[in-house]
Amino acid sequence: ELKVEQNPLFLSMQEEKNYTIYCNYSTTSDRLYWYRQDPGKSLESLFVLLSNGAVKQEGRLMASLDTKARLSTLHITAAVHDLSATYFCAAVGGTYDKVIFGPGTSLSVIP
Amino acid sequence: EAGVVQSPRYKIIEKKQPVAFWCNPISGHNTLYWYLQNLGQGPELLIRYENEEAVDDSQLPKDRFSAERLKGVDSTLKIQPAELGDSAVYLCASSFRGGRYNEQFFGPGTRLTVL
Repeated sequence: ELKVEQNPLFLSMQEEKNYTIYCNYSTTSDRLYWYRQDPGKSLESLFVLLSNGAVKQEGRLMASLDTKARLSTLHITAAVHDLSATYFCAAVGGTYDKVIFGPGTSLSVIP
Repeated sequence: EAGVVQSPRYKIIEKKQPVAFWCNPISGHNTLYWYLQNLGQGPELLIRYENEEAVDDSQLPKDRFSAERLKGVDSTLKIQPAELGDSAVYLCASSFRGGRYNEQFFGPGTRLTVL
């Protein structure tokens, strides 16, 4: 059964600092998604990673995928307050190609 | 292009009452999902439709939950009777299966409070 873990679950960081959120998944997955959720809002798709070594960047966020280690990372460069949100990773597996979400990482960027 | 539409956005009911949620997916998306999201947790899949067919309803509590997707477009999720533990956000998402990414797009959700 596919399980997805994230760490840390809570992250408080200062502006202009760098940090990384880690996403581990337990079985083979052919896709890895990253989503952002603002309080009281729905999920917004950030990245879709398909293959080993895939790297995607958008602004201050960069996501990567290591399928051998079953690990994806979301790196935040020079954080700004607007990045404060909850970030979810999700992997795909199981009989019905089910998308399994991690518990989320709640990020607070402090001025 | 319009996104996934859900209604109502908020619903407050007393336990044992019925409740229904409606979802209109993005035009052309053949796959529709209903998720439940508890506070501080990630979404959990309740049911997935491919066109009109429910292809994964293994996590749907069938004693009280039901869903339908008539004509392969709009979908309705119903709870009858509602229990206190059903208080959560119910998210609808859609995707185009067959695309390279099979990326899901989420609606704004319905926040259900059961008193």
